[in-house]
Amino acid sequence: DAGVIQSPRHEVTEMGQEVTLRCKLISGHNSLFWYRQTMMRGLELLIYFNNNVPIDDSGMPEDRFSAKMPNASFSTLKIQPSEPRDSAVYFCASSPVRASNPYFGPGTRLTVL
Amino acid sequence: AQSVTQLDSQVPVFEEAPVELRCNYSSSVSVYLFWYVQYPNQGLQLLLKYLSGSTLVKGINGFEAEFNKSQTSFHLRKPSVHISDTAEYFCAGITGANNLFFGTGTRLTVIP
Repeated sequence: DAGVIQSPRHEVTEMGQEVTLRCKLISGHNSLFWYRQTMMRGLELLIYFNNNVPIDDSGMPEDRFSAKMPNASFSTLKIQPSEPRDSAVYFCASSPVRASNPYFGPGTRLTVL
Repeated sequence: AQSVTQLDSQVPVFEEAPVELRCNYSSSVSVYLFWYVQYPNQGLQLLLKYLSGSTLVKGINGFEAEFNKSQTSFHLRKPSVHISDTAEYFCAGITGANNLFFGTGTRLTVIP
């Protein structure tokens, strides 16, 4: 299996633009996590899904952030409008069952100018 | 409140010396504990995990960790480190809501 796939790997955009980050889960996994990593805050869980249903989105910073799972193998994280403070590395992770260790993707490094 | 606490933000150690990276967990964390490693510009990779059974858990790259219920600790150890072990190490635990919650990380720097 290719593992969790994220795209793009790097994104540079200007403040106010819409940003869409993409994630493909490992086949057979049914839990999906979005994390954000910054120097100041470390690793933060933004949202996680189980069987395509959002279970906990309490980590989503504000309404500018939204996440979807249009099908069992794919997810998007959208930021609209983006702001410089959104600059971070965004990781997607998937796991086969709950209470199991997630497998992480390589991350998307987002820079908002 | 955080569910796991990593006591050291940075740990420098000489090559071939032993190392211990400390992690304590709170009672709000289910007894599922993990250590992840993150090499520069890469994602997180699982080193080892404790779910149940033997309290001494062996992982990849020669690392091991011991679950200590009385001290609520899950320290990571390696008897002899290599330059290639230089990375960020994260302790994590599963909360009651089944979220994987990470500590703030410990940067291990192996000095030649």
